[in-house]
Amino acid sequence: KAGVTQTPRYLIKTRGQQVTLSCSPISGHRSVSWYQQTPGQGLQFLFEYFSETQRNKGNFPGRFSGRQFSNSRSEMNVSTLELGDSALYLCASSLETTSGYNEQFFGPGTRLTVL
Amino acid sequence: AQSVTQLDSQVPVFEEAPVELRCNYSSSVSVYLFWYVQYPNQGLQLLLKYLSGSTLVKGINGFEAEFNKSQTSFHLRKPSVHISDTAEYFCAVSDRRTGNQFYFGTGTSLTVIP
Repeated sequence: KAGVTQTPRYLIKTRGQQVTLSCSPISGHRSVSWYQQTPGQGLQFLFEYFSETQRNKGNFPGRFSGRQFSNSRSEMNVSTLELGDSALYLCASSLETTSGYNEQFFGPGTRLTVL
Repeated sequence: AQSVTQLDSQVPVFEEAPVELRCNYSSSVSVYLFWYVQYPNQGLQLLLKYLSGSTLVKGINGFEAEFNKSQTSFHLRKPSVHISDTAEYFCAVSDRRTGNQFYFGTGTSLTVIP
């Protein structure tokens, strides 16, 4: 079974631009979560989508948004990029279970550099 | 909200020596606990998890961790490290009440010295 894929792997943008990142979850997984990873802050939760609905949201400004499609693929968008948005953006998918625990499987990430 | 503290940002250790990476979290109420490893230019891979039951959890690559509810800790250990264990290690907590929202520590960079 293919793992979580993220495209593109690397991206360079300039301040003020916007960017869209894509994540394809493992087949059958309906939950997709996004994280921002920076050296000083570690991994910070952005949001989680399940069945095309945002289920959880972290503490990020409205410039960060996302969506999920009917095939569970997800995109996140960052508008009006700032230098501080430079980070590794990780996507994780999980399979809902009745046990209450849903293991997250991570993609390789998209490294965004804002100049 | 939960918070996770990894007390050591960098841990150098000689090959074949034991290692302990420390992790503390803010609340022991209804949590799942995890350790992930990240190799350069890769995503996170699950090392081990504590859901319930025995407080000593064994994972992949010879790692183990112990859940200590009274100290709200979940320290990761390996009795003898290998060069290939050089990586970034993240401790994470999931609150059972909020399902998939994971809270991560800032990571510990383990460097194994030959």
